Amino acid sequence: DAKTTQPTSMDCAEGRAANLPCNHSTISGNEYVYWYRQIHSQGPQYIIHGLKNNETNEMASLIITEDRKSSTLILPHATLRDTAVYYCIVRAPYNTDKLIFGTGTRLQVFP
Amino acid sequence: NAGVTQTPKFRVLKTGQSMTLLCAQDMNHEYMYWYRQDPGMGLRLIHYSVGEGTTAKGEVPDGYNVSRLKKQNFLLGLESAAPSQTSVYFCASSFRTSGSGEQYFGPGTRLTVT
Repeated sequence: DAKTTQPTSMDCAEGRAANLPCNHSTISGNEYVYWYRQIHSQGPQYIIHGLKNNETNEMASLIITEDRKSSTLILPHATLRDTAVYYCIVRAPYNTDKLIFGTGTRLQVFP
Repeated sequence: NAGVTQTPKFRVLKTGQSMTLLCAQDMNHEYMYWYRQDPGMGLRLIHYSVGEGTTAKGEVPDGYNVSRLKKQNFLLGLESAAPSQTSVYFCASSFRTSGSGEQYFGPGTRLTVT
């Protein structure tokens, strides 16, 4: 799986958009970008994934650059419940090895 | 849908005791996984299964056994618990067709071995 780089921490005001970046310059053609988050003491939660097109679901949007070397997860209206560690993972979909979560970005949403 | 459920939520064992953790999913997922997470550390894969009746070793399988007799259940056994197995255990599942990158996790079992 390609390595990812994320900022250690970010702050966001409640109600504003949270934009979480991820660099994955060594991504290969068959690898997808996945985003998870882990709220304290809970199991990791899958958020969204994409290959090269932008994706949106009820939780978030994923913007992938044209060269696929970086991506941004967007939480359009952050709430206090979105405070968590967010992980960007790049992997081929049929890789049955463990998910490598890395250190992630600790997002703190403040009132 | 309940998603992925784990039983029990908490457990305290004495060294040498045995126990079984149960994971159940109602999403008809083919793949299931057992991870452990120690404080301040990432997830480590213990065992996984790509289908009913099949299991495979992950990164840290020693001291654990698993069984997948039914598609919806994945059991993790500790035959002789050791303090080093104190951890939070997470089960996860995923579809075969969408690949293993999209995994759905249970709430975890907090195990303490004294």
